[in-house]
Amino acid sequence: SAVISQKPSRDICQRGTSLTIQCQVDSQVTMMFWYRQQPGQSLTLIATANQGSEATYESGFVIDKFPISRPNLTFSTLTVSNMSPEDSSIYLCSVGRDPGELFFGEGSRLTVL
Amino acid sequence: AQSVTQLDSQVPVFEEAPVELRCNYSSSVSVYLFWYVQYPNQGLQLLLKYLSGSTLVKGINGFEAEFNKSQTSFHLRKPSVHISDTAEYFCAVTPGGFNKFYFGSGTKLNVKP
Repeated sequence: SAVISQKPSRDICQRGTSLTIQCQVDSQVTMMFWYRQQPGQSLTLIATANQGSEATYESGFVIDKFPISRPNLTFSTLTVSNMSPEDSSIYLCSVGRDPGELFFGEGSRLTVL
Repeated sequence: AQSVTQLDSQVPVFEEAPVELRCNYSSSVSVYLFWYVQYPNQGLQLLLKYLSGSTLVKGINGFEAEFNKSQTSFHLRKPSVHISDTAEYFCAVTPGGFNKFYFGSGTKLNVKP
C-alpha cells in the first residue's frame, strides 16, 4: 500500500488567483497521477507526473493552466492557475503500486468564488 | 478507447438487504477491472480488482464482483449491507499496467435503517 498526504484538504479562493496543491507519498514511486473529481461526474485524469521530465497531460488539460512539478520520487505539486468557478472541484493525487492498482490521497476540495 | 458506465447514480437500500451495483464497460482491448469506494470526505479505497483467473472476485467488507466478458460487465454485489456501507462506489478499468484508469460516474449507495 501507499500513504498519500495532500495539502490543503480544502480551500476557498478568489477568481483569478492560483492555488498549489501538494502531494507527499510515504515511499518512492515512479508514477504519480493527478485527477479531478467534479460534482456528479467521473474522475478525470489531468496528467501523469514523471520524475525528471515534464508531466504528460491528457486531452483538454494544458500545462499553462495546470503546471505540475515532480522534484523527487515522493513529492509532487499541482497548481491550478487563474482560477474560475468552473475549477471548483476535488483534486486527487494518486500513485500506482501493485499491477493495476491506484492509491489515492484524500483529495483537495477547491471552491472558487 | 475505453469507457465505463454506471447506470445507477443512486441506490437506496435497507440495512441487511442485498445490493447490486452495475458496471458496464467498453474496450477494444483486454482490461483490468476495479471497484473503488469513497466514504464522505475521504479518498478512494480499493474494494476489489479483476486482473485474470476466476471471474468471481471477492473483496473487502464482504463485497464481491463477477466479470462477464460476453456482457462486458463487472457488477458489484453484497448479500447483506450495513449502514457503514453508505458511500459512493466507482467502477474503473485500465487497459493494462496502471498508467491510465477510466472511471465510471459513480453510484451513491444509501443504506437506510
